[in-house]
Amino acid sequence: GAGVSQSPRYKVTKRGQDVALRCDPISGHVSLYWYRQALGQGPEFLTYFNYEAQQDKSGLPNDRFSAERPEGSISTLTIQRTEQRDSAMYRCASSHLSGDVEQFFGPGTRLTVL
Amino acid sequence: QKEVEQNSGPLSVPEGAIASLNCTYSDRGSQSFFWYRQYSGKSPELIMFIYSNGDKEDGRFTAQLNKASQYVSLLIRDSQPSDSATYLCAVKATSGTYKYIFGTGTRLKVLA
Repeated sequence: GAGVSQSPRYKVTKRGQDVALRCDPISGHVSLYWYRQALGQGPEFLTYFNYEAQQDKSGLPNDRFSAERPEGSISTLTIQRTEQRDSAMYRCASSHLSGDVEQFFGPGTRLTVL
Repeated sequence: QKEVEQNSGPLSVPEGAIASLNCTYSDRGSQSFFWYRQYSGKSPELIMFIYSNGDKEDGRFTAQLNKASQYVSLLIRDSQPSDSATYLCAVKATSGTYKYIFGTGTRLKVLA
């Protein structure tokens, strides 16, 4: 079956613009995570959803970042008033059950803020 | 002190040798420990997980956990050039949270 998909794969935007990054998890997967990964670093946890409920948003850097998963499937990570420091790879991962061991990562969205 | 620490490498080993990758963590209440492999330009993929003290073997891979020392390692036996990648250690924080904390990764180079 299809893996986790993310769109767009690349996004270039100007400072101050809003961006929306989409994640389509593996069908039937309950858990969904968003991470940010800078070059040469490991993924940094941003937020976690169990079905449509955002159960942990402790990793969101500030209130410009928000995420939703209204129907318990597709999720959107929104960054308002983007800044150059927001430039990174944004990765989504899903797992079948809550607390499941294996997370399946999507290909990521490379965000560049000019 | 970083929550999960790894030597960034690169760690170079000859083909056929044992590669030893190490990771330390700061949260003594951590419950679960994971090793991910990430090829250049690709997404992380899970190799192994371990919950209990001791060793866990899966094919050429062995994960070792010592909770008293807050140390987890990954051994790769009979290393192959295809094992060349960045290996990420991840720790699931204390019970009741779904937050995973990743180290910066160790770059492994297996020389043919």
